[in-house]
Parts: sequence; structure tokens; C-alpha cells
Amino acid sequence: DAKTTQPTSMDCAEGRAANLPCNHSTISGNEYVYWYRQIHSQGPQYIIHGLKNNETNEMASLIITEDRKSSTLILPHATLRDTAVYYCIVRSSHNSGGSNYKLTFGKGTLLTVNP
Amino acid sequence: DTAVSQTPKYLVTQMGNDKSIKCEQNLGHDTMYWYKQDSKKFLKIMFSYNNKELIINETVPNRFSPKSPDKAHLNLHINSLELGDSAVYFCASRNWRTDTQYFGPGTRLTVL
Repeated sequence: DAKTTQPTSMDCAEGRAANLPCNHSTISGNEYVYWYRQIHSQGPQYIIHGLKNNETNEMASLIITEDRKSSTLILPHATLRDTAVYYCIVRSSHNSGGSNYKLTFGKGTLLTVNP
Repeated sequence: DTAVSQTPKYLVTQMGNDKSIKCEQNLGHDTMYWYKQDSKKFLKIMFSYNNKELIINETVPNRFSPKSPDKAHLNLHINSLELGDSAVYFCASRNWRTDTQYFGPGTRLTVL
């Protein structure tokens, strides 16, 4: 699976959009970009994933550059409860390997939402 | 309704003891996992089971033995506990259709 690079930490004001970048310059054609987050003392939580098109759900938006070498997770209106470590993970298509699926977590970005 | 549950939430024990952590998911998923998060907060996969069959074993010491009595349960038994086993252990299950994992709340194991 391709390696990802994320900033160690970021700050965001409550109510503002939080934009979390991720570089994955070695991503290959069948690899998806996944985002999970881990709020302090809790298990990781799935946020969103995509292949090449931008994606949006009730939690966030995922913007993937045209060359797919980087992406940005957007939390449109950050709240204090969004303070967490955000992990960007790149892995092969879920249709390859079937059950042989694992997530490889990096260090992630600690997002701190300030009042 | 709790999707992925683990017991106990906290476990404090002495070196050399044997302990078990239990995990249950009510999501109907076929695949379950155990992850370990150490003091430096690195989260690493340990095991994966699919339909009660072991499919991933990430070079974990033999002292760790997962057991899956059925698709909804994946327990982790640890023999001869060592100080380095102190960590938070997370159980997870996978939705194959959406290719997403659901994690339990974690079990904080402290070995004294």
C-alpha cells in the first residue's frame, strides 16, 4: 500500500472549515484514499473514502487532486467534538484480496478545534 | 445498540499471568480484527479472522492466541503477560460491501 504524509498537527477555530491535507505521491491506480479519525480514548472511526472523484457524506468532504497524488479532507463546520487524530490511509481496491484486508495506520494529524 | 463491544474496558494484571479480552459485533460482518495501540499511539494490526478462519497474523508472539467461536465473536487470549504487552487493544469488524471497518471502544491493558 502507498505511503502517506500528513502534518503532525493543525489548529482550527470552532465553526470554521478544517482542511486536512494528505500527500500520497506513490499511489497506484487501484488504490483508494481512506480517512479515519480517533477521538481521545476511543476507537478509530471511519469518515470517508474515494478513488478519484470528490466525495461528500454527512461527516465530511474528500477532495482528490486530478493526478491523485494528494487529497484534502474537509470538515465544513468544525466543532470541539471534531478534535481528534485524523488518519489518511491509502490501500488497494477492496475488491482485490477480498478478506485479506487490513488498514495500515500512520501517525496521522492531530486536529485541535479551538473555541 | 453497541456495534462492536469489548470486555473488559480496563485490565490490570501482573507479569506472567494469563488473560483474555472478549469482542463481539452485532453488525453481521464476516471479518474481524485485533489491533494494538502502544504508548506512542501507533495503531498496528495483529490478527484478522474471516468466517472463523485466521487470515492475517502479523508476526505476533505465540503468547497471543485469538479464538473465534463464531462470526460475531473474536477473543484474544494472552499467556505469560510481559510489561511490553501494556497497550490499548482494539477489536474491529469489516463491512465488506462498503469496505469500512468499525472499531470497538478498546481495552486498556496494564501489566505490572
